[in-house]
Amino acid sequence: AQSVAQPEDQVNVAEGNPLTVKCTYSVSGNPYLFWYVQYPNRGLQFLLKYITGDNLVKGSYGFEAEFNKSQTSFHLKKPSALVSDSALYFCAATRDTGFQKLVFGTGTRLLVSP
Amino acid sequence: NAGVTQTPKFQVLKTGQSMTLQCAQDMNHNSMYWYRQDPGMGLRLIYYSASEGTTDKGEVPNGYNVSRLNKREFSLRLESAAPSQTSVYFCASSDPGRSYGYTFGSGTRLTVV
Repeated sequence: AQSVAQPEDQVNVAEGNPLTVKCTYSVSGNPYLFWYVQYPNRGLQFLLKYITGDNLVKGSYGFEAEFNKSQTSFHLKKPSALVSDSALYFCAATRDTGFQKLVFGTGTRLLVSP
Repeated sequence: NAGVTQTPKFQVLKTGQSMTLQCAQDMNHNSMYWYRQDPGMGLRLIYYSASEGTTDKGEVPNGYNVSRLNKREFSLRLESAAPSQTSVYFCASSDPGRSYGYTFGSGTRLTVV
């Protein structure tokens, strides 16, 4: 069975500092990996994905994520955080064969202080 | 705007009442999903429809039923609501290809009293 772990319920960072939101996965076969962001009272919005190719993927709003196959991780990063980045972030995974059914982590709340 | 539309946005039910949550997408996606979101538990899959005419149980199907009315619409029904079904419900759809993730609706906040 597939699973996704986000070990931190909340990440606190000061504006202008780099941020990292951690994600590890367990997927049989090759994984497809995603990050979504949720602002208050809104649905989930797609940020970025890893399907194949370069291990460093770039997405919306200056976010990027690094795929590490040996550590089964897909951490979300941003070089310089903004207060407006404060939101709930979800990592999700599925495998590259068969019907695509995403499994989500429990979410990490990012709080960026001024 | 193209996307996934959910109705209603908010609902309060009494225990034992029934209701149907509606979802429609206009992106010609084959697959549709219903998730519930609870604090500390992330998103849990209730039911999904891989294609028109098929539905399957997800992780937490008890107390729910679904109908894939046509390619655009996928409804979720609570036959006899319970307080444990208080949650935020999200509908999503996905591209026919495997690599594009989901598009989500804006959610329905349901409270069962």
